[in-house]
Amino acid sequence: GENVEQHPSTLSVQEGDSAVIKCTYSDSASNYFPWYKQELGKRPQLIIDIRSNVGEKKDQRIAVTLNKTAKHFSLHITETQPEDSAVYFCAASKNNAGNMLTFGGGTRLMVKP
Amino acid sequence: DGGITQSPKYLFRKEGQNVTLSCEQNLNHDAMYWYRQDPGQGLRLIYYSQIVNDFQKGDIAEGYSVSREKKESFPLTVTSAQKNPTAFYLCAVGGQGPYEQYFGPGTRLTVT
Repeated sequence: GENVEQHPSTLSVQEGDSAVIKCTYSDSASNYFPWYKQELGKRPQLIIDIRSNVGEKKDQRIAVTLNKTAKHFSLHITETQPEDSAVYFCAASKNNAGNMLTFGGGTRLMVKP
Repeated sequence: DGGITQSPKYLFRKEGQNVTLSCEQNLNHDAMYWYRQDPGQGLRLIYYSQIVNDFQKGDIAEGYSVSREKKESFPLTVTSAQKNPTAFYLCAVGGQGPYEQYFGPGTRLTVT
């Protein structure tokens, strides 16, 4: 089955700096890669996703890049703000029965004011 | 996300008791999923259902059971066979596209 690894497990940045979280996946058939943000005690919220037919997608301060050859994808947050502090999860899925998501272990991002 | 409800928010049970967690949606989507989250860890898939009266095991189905009698509802039963049931349980619903999943608010289950 699919295996998704996520790094780093914790990340501390100064407000205004950029943050980068990286994930690798094992199944070359995976073709959908979402990112979720989870604040303490809350549900994960889908913040951005990318499909295998594009290499990069951007939404305001958030961008995701995908390298299918190397089987890795990354989340980039620019001009970080304290409200970006949360746990971020990457995931991978492929177009098969169930469209199941396999999640990475999460990255705790702390943005210091 | 507002169309997905899970109740209750907190649930306490004694060891050896079965407990059923509720997940309801009014988004009219076919796919529904149950995940388990342990402190400081990622989400693991327990069961999923793509259509009424059909469901499939995920990665950690042992000790759990589900039913899908209605499109709107996908209840999860944590049985006494589940060795470590204390966790945060999240229900998800498939989105308009073939891949997106959106989560309900979750139920935090504590078994003592």
